[in-house]
Amino acid sequence: DVKVTQSSRYLVKRTGEKVFLECVQDMDHENMFWYRQDPGLGLRLIYFSYDVKMKEKGDIPEGYSVSREKKERFSLILESASTNQTSMYLCASSLVSQETQYFGPGTRLLVL
Amino acid sequence: KQEVTQIPAALSVPEGENLVLNCSFTDSAIYNLQWFRQDPGKGLTSLLLIQSSQREQTSGRLNASLDKSSGRSTLYIAASQPGDSATYLCAVGRTYKYIFGTGTRLKVLA
Repeated sequence: DVKVTQSSRYLVKRTGEKVFLECVQDMDHENMFWYRQDPGLGLRLIYFSYDVKMKEKGDIPEGYSVSREKKERFSLILESASTNQTSMYLCASSLVSQETQYFGPGTRLLVL
Repeated sequence: KQEVTQIPAALSVPEGENLVLNCSFTDSAIYNLQWFRQDPGKGLTSLLLIQSSQREQTSGRLNASLDKSSGRSTLYIAASQPGDSATYLCAVGRTYKYIFGTGTRLKVLA
């Protein structure tokens, strides 16, 4: 079974802090994704990566950056956290494009 | 710009009922459509993936259909059970990106 893990289930941070969210998949998937999920807005794509060191902006990349130094690990970075980044963050991976996406359990981030 | 809509937003049914969840999308140029289940506070679990060349997919009590020309997909759940209570999301895929609907929150009453 594919397993996607996220480093934290819950995080509380202060405004202005640098925040790292990590995601690891164990099935040698090419593609990895970061989404945020907000009530009434659904899931929105922040960034995705189709190979090591490759990244593409999604629909809402402002205020975020990503890093993929190894195939199995995809990190989301909030350079200076703000209250409007309080959200549920979901990581996903897929073997190749147009294939099933597998999701991690999510990280609920609260920025105070 | 692709938009994905799921109606109704919430649904309550008695146990044992067959039910249909709807998903509509505005741009028929899609590669595939995927249905997910999400339990409260959890990540998404993939239920069914329909490629654009397919009309339907089945898994156990679940059947998903796809009509690209009309921009619609349905998820049929047979003989619903309380354990089916969750939010169901559809997502349409094109290249690397998926666009998600906001989901239908299903409650199956025992």
